[in-house]
Amino acid sequence: DSGVTQTPKHLITATGQRVTLRCSPRSGDLSVYWYQQSLDQGLQFLIQYYNGEERAKGNILERFSAQQFPDLHSELNLSSLELGDSALYFCASSREGTANSPLHFGNGTRLTVT
Amino acid sequence: AQSVAQPEDQVNVAEGNPLTVKCTYSVSGNPYLFWYVQYPNRGLQFLLKYITGDNLVKGSYGFEAEFNKSQTSFHLKKPSALVSDSALYFCAVRDLRTGFQKLVFGTGTRLLVSP
Repeated sequence: DSGVTQTPKHLITATGQRVTLRCSPRSGDLSVYWYQQSLDQGLQFLIQYYNGEERAKGNILERFSAQQFPDLHSELNLSSLELGDSALYFCASSREGTANSPLHFGNGTRLTVT
Repeated sequence: AQSVAQPEDQVNVAEGNPLTVKCTYSVSGNPYLFWYVQYPNRGLQFLLKYITGDNLVKGSYGFEAEFNKSQTSFHLKKPSALVSDSALYFCAVRDLRTGFQKLVFGTGTRLLVSP
């Protein structure tokens, strides 16, 4: 068990809808990262937050947004969903400040857009 | 750009035989390299990392990796494969440009260990 909790595990929704994915990082970890895993794109970095502030942005669509709250949990909001958004969405956390600290991943949320 | 390449989509090995999963990297500056494993319907689990020092790094579940600077490689190895090692393996490099610390992953290699 990595200590990173993601909810829900599965999400099935229709095109055009909006969903929210939730992540609780490991105790003590200030950084949260969101990744998307799909068959054709592999593991793509979406966005990173550190202690409530956006730190880095990757291949995140404008329809997607995220935030990290004062209690350090994070939410990824996906709107105007398209079929191509179907994927596994992972959250990871790490201790900040040391490049040698690994990322610890949750078990992911599987999003299916129909 | 910081990147890693995994040239093999799949590696097949018989149980009890040694296994190698290949990874090459391209970085500016010192490489911070990681290996992760993903089992079906699970998240990625950290196996081991190379930061500096010994070129042979030991990790979880009997895995080790050999860092080779001249060949810019970081291959994952295990002396004796188990059927339970069958999974998807990812090599990753830390992107330290401008202070960002995200991991950049390779495309993954599926390891299949036959009984």
